[in-house]
Amino acid sequence: DTAVSQTPKYLVTQMGNDKSIKCEQNLGHDTMYWYKQDSKKFLKIMFSYNNKELIINETVPNRFSPKSPDKAHLNLHINSLELGDSAVYFCASSKDREVYPEAFFGQGTRLTVV
Amino acid sequence: SQQGEEDPQALSIQEGENATMNCSYKTSINNLQWYRQNSGRGLVHLILIRSNEREKHSGRLRVTLDTSKKSSSLLITASRAADTASYFCATPSSGGYQKVTFGTGTKLQVIP
Repeated sequence: DTAVSQTPKYLVTQMGNDKSIKCEQNLGHDTMYWYKQDSKKFLKIMFSYNNKELIINETVPNRFSPKSPDKAHLNLHINSLELGDSAVYFCASSKDREVYPEAFFGQGTRLTVV
Repeated sequence: SQQGEEDPQALSIQEGENATMNCSYKTSINNLQWYRQNSGRGLVHLILIRSNEREKHSGRLRVTLDTSKKSSSLLITASRAADTASYFCATPSSGGYQKVTFGTGTKLQVIP
């Protein structure tokens, strides 16, 4: 019954590889996000999708490509992985057009690039 | 740049003591939220305070908001070891498409 689930939980890969992280929410929310949390716990928004449409792209390198096949899913594909991509990536969702939106988070995917 | 910044970055207290964390933000808001992150987990929503509220309570949590100073504080009373976590303030946009922006976080350690 996990509200926001993302897979895998851990991902270790070599530089230059391409990898994907999947996210699904069963809350019926219209808006989904990807956040990156670095080693200093600094949490930064990367993308926001609303009803499968890209709304926010916070100057993320184009090696990162989100894809939303439907409003319950938002996947993150990363090409040509670099050492600096190592971080914890969080998927989240919220209701659209809420006066006081609350974000619901997945458990995170710890990506380690070696 | 981050919308919110928490202060202090790290806080260590004894069990039973109170913990106070502060958050400053930059733009106008209609609400401010606090989240907790346990080690290795995602963030969990704790409490929301609206811009027309000055103080709000939820169990052992007390949140204040001063919109004139663009600041908020989170007080955890009678802390427990289980309160050990990082705490983030968040300033969501509203009305249109949502964007929840987080502060830099305060890492709280409660020593048993």
